[in-house]
Amino acid sequence: LAKTTQPISMDSYEGQEVNITCSHNNIATNDYITWYQQFPSQGPRFIIQGYKTKVTNEVASLFIPADRKSSTLSLPRVSLSDTAVYYCLVGVGNNDMRFGAGTRLTVKP
Amino acid sequence: NAGVTQTPKFRVLKTGQSMTLLCAQDMNHEYMYWYRQDPGMGLRLIHYSVGEGTTAKGEVPDGYNVSRLKKQNFLLGLESAAPSQTSVYFCASSYGRLAASYEQYFGPGTRLTVT
Repeated sequence: LAKTTQPISMDSYEGQEVNITCSHNNIATNDYITWYQQFPSQGPRFIIQGYKTKVTNEVASLFIPADRKSSTLSLPRVSLSDTAVYYCLVGVGNNDMRFGAGTRLTVKP
Repeated sequence: NAGVTQTPKFRVLKTGQSMTLLCAQDMNHEYMYWYRQDPGMGLRLIHYSVGEGTTAKGEVPDGYNVSRLKKQNFLLGLESAAPSQTSVYFCASSYGRLAASYEQYFGPGTRLTVT
């Protein structure tokens, strides 16, 4: 059975780099890995997406090893406004996908 | 553009009652999804649609029905609500095919309580 695993919570301080890893043991070979951010009382919002190696955009980087059984979301120099829940999403079959249970990131001053 | 909207925002039902949640998107997306979100379990896919007139089951479809009569609307129905269906329900839409490859746009959610 496909399983997507993330740490339940993480704490950090303003200005630090935060890395959140998601393990996905049954990812579809032709599908992407996507990360979403969710604030309280809002729907999730797309952050970044990748297939392999490294992807970077204006808010985050995504590192994916060659075996694609995990991925790491990297948030550089976090601020208080980055306090949120972060979800990974992977395709796990021809037409199926799984969200991780989410990682609650708390950024402290 | 409003993006993805959901109606209602909150609802309290008694066990056995029925209701319909409405999702609307104005981005001309083919794919639409209904999720439920429960503490510690992330988002789980209930049903999805790959186009007008089509629906399919997701990970947790039991107790729910859906319809997509118009491309822009996706309805989620609970025929006989149970306390186990107390949850926050999110609708989403995307341009491309199911699975993780296309960005999904989410609505603001509907908080449903079944007593």
